[in-house]
Amino acid sequence: KNQVEQSPQSLIILEGKNCTLQCNYTVSPFSNLRWYKQDTGRGPVSLTIMTFSENTKSNGRYTATLDADTKQSSLHITASQLSDSASYICVVSPNYGGATNKLIFGTGTLLAVQP
Amino acid sequence: SQTIHQWPATLVQPVGSPLSLECTVEGTSNPNLYWYRQAAGRGLQLLFYSVGIGQISSEVPQNLSASRPQDRQFILSSKKLLLSDSGFYLCAWSRGGRTDTQYFGPGTRLTVL
Repeated sequence: KNQVEQSPQSLIILEGKNCTLQCNYTVSPFSNLRWYKQDTGRGPVSLTIMTFSENTKSNGRYTATLDADTKQSSLHITASQLSDSASYICVVSPNYGGATNKLIFGTGTLLAVQP
Repeated sequence: SQTIHQWPATLVQPVGSPLSLECTVEGTSNPNLYWYRQAAGRGLQLLFYSVGIGQISSEVPQNLSASRPQDRQFILSSKKLLLSDSGFYLCAWSRGGRTDTQYFGPGTRLTVL
């Protein structure tokens, strides 16, 4: 069964500190993996996308890594800011072919950055 | 640039009442369109997707239906709401293809009482 699991479920850190969020998936065949940021009560916003051949991708203070062999990904946030408080969702796309992009979503890690 | 709109932002409806949620996309043509539901503590669940006008695919059997009367308009409906229909409904669009990104709207918070 295609699944995406994230850890921790929630995390509290102090402003300015770094943190790393984890994602494990069992999706096969694999096409790509994305990290989304979802502010409370808003729609998710894409942070990074990585295909099978990519093992790292950065977007400002966000750096995502991918190990396609172990089917693991991480999202590292550097020098956290209060605005980083949000849910971070790992999303995997199976390689089914066709024109549509059916995504498999993790349940997210809820990050709270405190002053 | 492309933008995606959803309305209403919040909705409180009694059990058994009808539902109509609307999603529109601007700045692109022939997008793939998606309806998701997000329950508290759970991942997004794909409800419907559409690759063109009048073309709707349903992912899970349920009390809801979707329609695409125009290229950039996607509507989620129900004839009689159930308590279990409560949730956060998200519309998304993409350009198509396996590696492209889905862009989400602001969402509609539906509470069925």
